[in-house]
Amino acid sequence: NAGVTQTPKFQVLKTGQSMTLQCAQDMNHNSMYWYRQDPGMGLRLIYYSASEGTTDKGEVPNGYNVSRLNKREFSLRLESAAPSQTSVYFCASSVTGTYNEQFFGPGTRLTVL
Amino acid sequence: GNSVTQMEGPVTLSEEAFLTINCTYTATGYPSLFWYVQYPGEGLQLLLKATKADDKGSNKGFEATYRKETTSFHLEKGSVQVSDSAVYFCALQNTGTASKLTFGTGTRLQVTL
Repeated sequence: NAGVTQTPKFQVLKTGQSMTLQCAQDMNHNSMYWYRQDPGMGLRLIYYSASEGTTDKGEVPNGYNVSRLNKREFSLRLESAAPSQTSVYFCASSVTGTYNEQFFGPGTRLTVL
Repeated sequence: GNSVTQMEGPVTLSEEAFLTINCTYTATGYPSLFWYVQYPGEGLQLLLKATKADDKGSNKGFEATYRKETTSFHLEKGSVQVSDSAVYFCALQNTGTASKLTFGTGTRLQVTL
């Protein structure tokens, strides 16, 4: 099992460019999440998907869109990147329900110039 | 709303020293509490968890006890190793929240020989 995989690992964009971060999990989890990690801020939830076909906003959704393509895949899109979106992005997945551990991918380090 | 407060780091200890990382929380209801660890260049992984008051989570020599009266979940280890150098995140999960986690800002631990 690969667990949670993310591509790319690193990306540099210019302001205004767009890109999609890809995430896939092979653990048959219903729930998937996108977080961003910034120094001194911990991890903040951008969007989540409790099941295939549903998505909901998290704490910091502005400037992002998501697609739950199927049960395995959950992508994050930046339509017009801004320097404030420079961050490390983590995808995670879990079994839906309380007490359940989230499994994290290795992260994508994004720099917007 | 939910929030998690962790002691600020970095925490620098000599090998075999005793470790405490403080974590307090604010939440409605009866949340589950987690400690995640992030090793350099990696995603987060679950270290331990506790799902109700007075529960003790433990793993790899680390322990934390869910104290409802003080709304705390402090992380402890009796004798740290260089390999424990990482960033530690306290997090909570409330019932009925689609397994969403609220994270603290993280505490960096550096263990030296």
